[in-house]
Amino acid sequence: DAMVIQNPRYQVTQFGKPVTLSCSQTLNHNVMYWYQQKSSQAPKLLFHYYDKDFNNEADTPDNFQSRRPNTSFCFLDIRSPGLGDAAMYLCATSRRARKAKLFFGSGTQLSVL
Amino acid sequence: AQKVTQAQTEISVVEKEDVTLDCVYETRDTTYYLFWYKQPPSGELVFLIRRNSFDEQNEISGRYSWNFQKSTSSFNFTITASQVVDSAVYFCALSGLDDKIIFGKGTRLHILP
Repeated sequence: DAMVIQNPRYQVTQFGKPVTLSCSQTLNHNVMYWYQQKSSQAPKLLFHYYDKDFNNEADTPDNFQSRRPNTSFCFLDIRSPGLGDAAMYLCATSRRARKAKLFFGSGTQLSVL
Repeated sequence: AQKVTQAQTEISVVEKEDVTLDCVYETRDTTYYLFWYKQPPSGELVFLIRRNSFDEQNEISGRYSWNFQKSTSSFNFTITASQVVDSAVYFCALSGLDDKIIFGKGTRLHILP
């Protein structure tokens, strides 16, 4: 009955080798978010989509890109992963309202060798 | 700028003890929303509660209770008669006029049997 699904659960990539993380949702929510969470730190918002409108955070590196081909799917592309990009990546969804609660996936733990 | 501070990095209590997790926030917005999320070892953040800035009523849900005080900019979370299943990282979060949800660094709670 998972509502926000992230694949894969664990991803290993090599330094500089492009990697794509995926997220799908069955909630039909308008908004999808990508957060980066490093060990013992708060989740940090990278970007989010309001429907097809992309909103990038000012401090998100250019190395990080995102695609949302339809309501259900959203992808995080890391063009040239560095060692500092190793983290848990969390996808979340919500309805289009500031007070709306977030529904999270289980995350993808990315390792960069 | 908005900020959420969870001063307690890690707390350990023995099962059945009560425990309070502190959250202090900063915002210039007059309308804002506060949240608590739980992140168990599985990694998926789970929504616990939402409170808007105009509603200072405390709330109780089973063993969980929340104390919102605008005068001290605090939104504390108490677990009564803690259980081992309560072991997790708990995040306090804030959403203001800019539609972004900012998380605190989290408090790791260990409930010892």
